[in-house]
Amino acid sequence: RKEVEQDPGPFNVPEGATVAFNCTYSNSASQSFFWYRQDCRKEPKLLMSVYSSGNEDGRFTAQLNRASQYISLLIRDSKLSDSATYLCVVESFQKLVFGTGTRLLVSP
Amino acid sequence: DGGITQSPKYLFRKEGQNVTLSCEQNLNHDAMYWYRQDPGQGLRLIYYSQIVNDFQKGDIAEGYSVSREKKESFPLTVTSAQKNPTAFYLCASSIPGGDGTGELFFGEGSRLTVL
Repeated sequence: RKEVEQDPGPFNVPEGATVAFNCTYSNSASQSFFWYRQDCRKEPKLLMSVYSSGNEDGRFTAQLNRASQYISLLIRDSKLSDSATYLCVVESFQKLVFGTGTRLLVSP
Repeated sequence: DGGITQSPKYLFRKEGQNVTLSCEQNLNHDAMYWYRQDPGQGLRLIYYSQIVNDFQKGDIAEGYSVSREKKESFPLTVTSAQKNPTAFYLCASSIPGGDGTGELFFGEGSRLTVL
């Protein structure tokens, strides 16, 4: 089993839609979780950290489910500019492990 | 402005040649990392360094070498021993968090193609 797994997508949604991504991880002792955004042929950039209590930043909501060992990212009111690959990142044995990413395509 | 600078952005190399990718940061971060990204795959850790004059192998260190003589600099050499060197190479730095990990700040990447 991979340490961090994501559905590669692509998720094709219309503008204004709500879309959710999940990411599962295998190390139950993991303490830090992040979502990064990566545009085509560019470097990843931090979108948000994921806290135990869940956290929201504008249209983006991140949640952690320790019992089932997954994190989620919810994007409300999708914009064309949200089109990108979303990388799930999990701390495991003091190293950050990246998922393969979920590609999102928002269309007019 | 603080940030991480990688160079060159694009590089072509013939088989059998070594090549060195530069990574410089002025964020005063202690930790620096090199990742490799291939199409359809996540970032894989090549080498990392938590402090000057010290570095550790990541998951795919074979065929690569690094040095950390200065806090600001963490160059990566792709040697001829690396069997599939064509990839997108990303350098990153961080302030280690409470558990040893923290937000990563990435350079713009170096795209290496072996002809």
